[in-house]
Amino acid sequence: DAGVTQSPTHLIKTRGQHVTLRCSPISGHKSVSWYQQVLGQGPQFIFQYYEKEERGRGNFPDRFSARQFPNYSSELNVNALLLGDSALYLCASSVQGKDQPQHFGDGTRLSIL
Amino acid sequence: EDQVTQSPEALRLQEGESSSLNCSYTVSGLRGLFWYRQDPGKGPEFLFTLYSAGEEKEKERLKATLTKKESFLHITAPKPEDSATYLCAAIFGNEKLTFGTGTRLTIIP
Repeated sequence: DAGVTQSPTHLIKTRGQHVTLRCSPISGHKSVSWYQQVLGQGPQFIFQYYEKEERGRGNFPDRFSARQFPNYSSELNVNALLLGDSALYLCASSVQGKDQPQHFGDGTRLSIL
Repeated sequence: EDQVTQSPEALRLQEGESSSLNCSYTVSGLRGLFWYRQDPGKGPEFLFTLYSAGEEKEKERLKATLTKKESFLHITAPKPEDSATYLCAAIFGNEKLTFGTGTRLTIIP
């Protein structure tokens, strides 16, 4: 069975640019969450979506936005990129969110020059 | 603010040498405690979920336990392939998954 898939795997951008990251959840999972992981740290929560509605938002600036599509896939958008946005961006899916275990993809490594 | 703290930051063990990793959390409103394994360049791999004090889960050489203040991941007779970063995460009342910074485990043959 396919796990959570993310694209692209690696991305290099320059400051001020915009980026879109994509995620396909495990089949049957209706909730998708996004995380940012900086080297040496645990993942930090950015957003959670369930049935196309935003269910939760972490402490990230408005430059970060996301959406979920009718097929439950999701996009994370980041505008006006800063050097500090360089990180591994992880997507996770679960059946309904809330207290259920989340299953992660291998992430998109974003480097800002 | 809800917090999850893991210790030690790093642990080196000889193959076969059993040990435990600790995860302590803000006491109020815990709704679920999760353990993940993360290999370099990969996303976290789900291991266990614990929902109430006294609960235990086991898988191969790993056993996770939960008390009212902390969780332990016990590793029995580890092998080199158990080397990884082990992450603990918790869900509190706000339903956001909060991670600790992880324990980097190295098993020496």
